[in-house]
Amino acid sequence: QVQLQESGPGLVKPSETLSLTCTVSGGSVRSYFWGWIRQSPGKGLEWIGYIYINGDTNYNPSLKSRVSISIDSSKNQFSLKLSAATAADTAVYYCARVCGGDCYPAVEYWGQGTQVTVSS
Amino acid sequence: EIVMTQSPAILSVSPGERATLSCRASQSVESNLAWYQQRPGQAPRLLIYDASTRATGIPGRFSGSGSGTEFTLTISSLQSEDFAIYYCQQNYVWPPWTFGQGTKVELK
Repeated sequence: QVQLQESGPGLVKPSETLSLTCTVSGGSVRSYFWGWIRQSPGKGLEWIGYIYINGDTNYNPSLKSRVSISIDSSKNQFSLKLSAATAADTAVYYCARVCGGDCYPAVEYWGQGTQVTVSS
Repeated sequence: EIVMTQSPAILSVSPGERATLSCRASQSVESNLAWYQQRPGQAPRLLIYDASTRATGIPGRFSGSGSGTEFTLTISSLQSEDFAIYYCQQNYVWPPWTFGQGTKVELK
């Protein structure tokens, strides 16, 4: 069974960079697309972006200038960096695996989510 | 960006009753629509993809229908574990794939 686990600071200061890592177990990041989704009371569920093992990335245009997703196959992890954080970035952040096969590109596996608050 | 609109915002249903949830897209997404269930304190769970195909392990009481701009999720006989928030998501156009704002199914 594939499991995803987010890790990173729960509190980020305004203007700093929000950094999260997702560790994958029960499967390899060398297959499928891997992504980040966030959820806030104000904006609901929002795709941030996703990455494939070859390094190809796709980002939400609303965040594209500030976001970077990378992948480390040696650690079976992928990561999110969101620069110049503001209070509007306060949300629960989920890492996710996009379906392969027939259910592509629905999200088949989700991490448990991690609350990130942007505040001084 | 495609806007997904769900109705109603809250649906009050008794156990054993049928629940019908609606999702509308601001432009056609063909059949590229998924439904997710989110229980309190948990991540969303994939229920339906391609508008009408149940994901692995999803009970038969969940069914999806529709295409283009109008979609429906039906829960034929509500069980206690079905009281949750349900989201639709279009995955026809990136960027970005977009979610509806959710329908909360609560106990009547």
